[in-house]
Amino acid sequence: AQKVTQAQTEISVVEKEDVTLDCVYETRDTTYYLFWYKQPPSGELVFLIRRNSFDEQNEISGRYSWNFQKSTSSFNFTITASQVVDSAVYFCALGNAGNNRKLIWGLGTSLAVNP
Amino acid sequence: DTGVSQDPRHKITKRGQNVTFRCDPISEHNRLYWYRQTLGQGPEFLTYFQNEAQLEKSRLLSDRFSAERPKGSFSTLEIQRTEQGDSAMYLCASSLTTGLAVNEQFFGPGTRLTVL
Repeated sequence: AQKVTQAQTEISVVEKEDVTLDCVYETRDTTYYLFWYKQPPSGELVFLIRRNSFDEQNEISGRYSWNFQKSTSSFNFTITASQVVDSAVYFCALGNAGNNRKLIWGLGTSLAVNP
Repeated sequence: DTGVSQDPRHKITKRGQNVTFRCDPISEHNRLYWYRQTLGQGPEFLTYFQNEAQLEKSRLLSDRFSAERPKGSFSTLEIQRTEQGDSAMYLCASSLTTGLAVNEQFFGPGTRLTVL
């Protein structure tokens, strides 16, 4: 079975704090892909990052960074020096060719960054 | 390219009426997906197309739902005899699928359906 768990339902931080959003996945496939999406209050899902299972290098993009650890089946997302504009629901998703490339979604983590 | 577009953005209808939504994907994308999302949930897969072929439809989807993608370009999702439980955000996404890789899906702004 494939599954994505985002255990944190809601997180509230004060601006400029660092925050980490957790994502744990389950799959039996050796080749798979992991994604993060942002859904701001406007509602449109915005693609943030895609990683494949063979690339465990951490990635940094500005204030965003991602930590992929196959040993713990986790793909965590850290926002450094959070800003009010980071307030959104963040979704982690899992996909593989064996599932017709459909994405399995977590339930999302709602992040509120307060001024 | 202006991204994925959806029309209308909002639809209010009375129970029992039929509604149709349209999605225009990114032009070079060969895959198109429909999802439904309710408050506090992640996107729920409904169906997807590879070019004009509908390759999979969720078993959770009742026969009142039908989707088409004529000529492999835009797609329509029709809900017949709407029920209050159909109230949700309907999302469309597209991707460029090559080989066995799972590429990112790009989403439209969604159509919010309210059934009274």
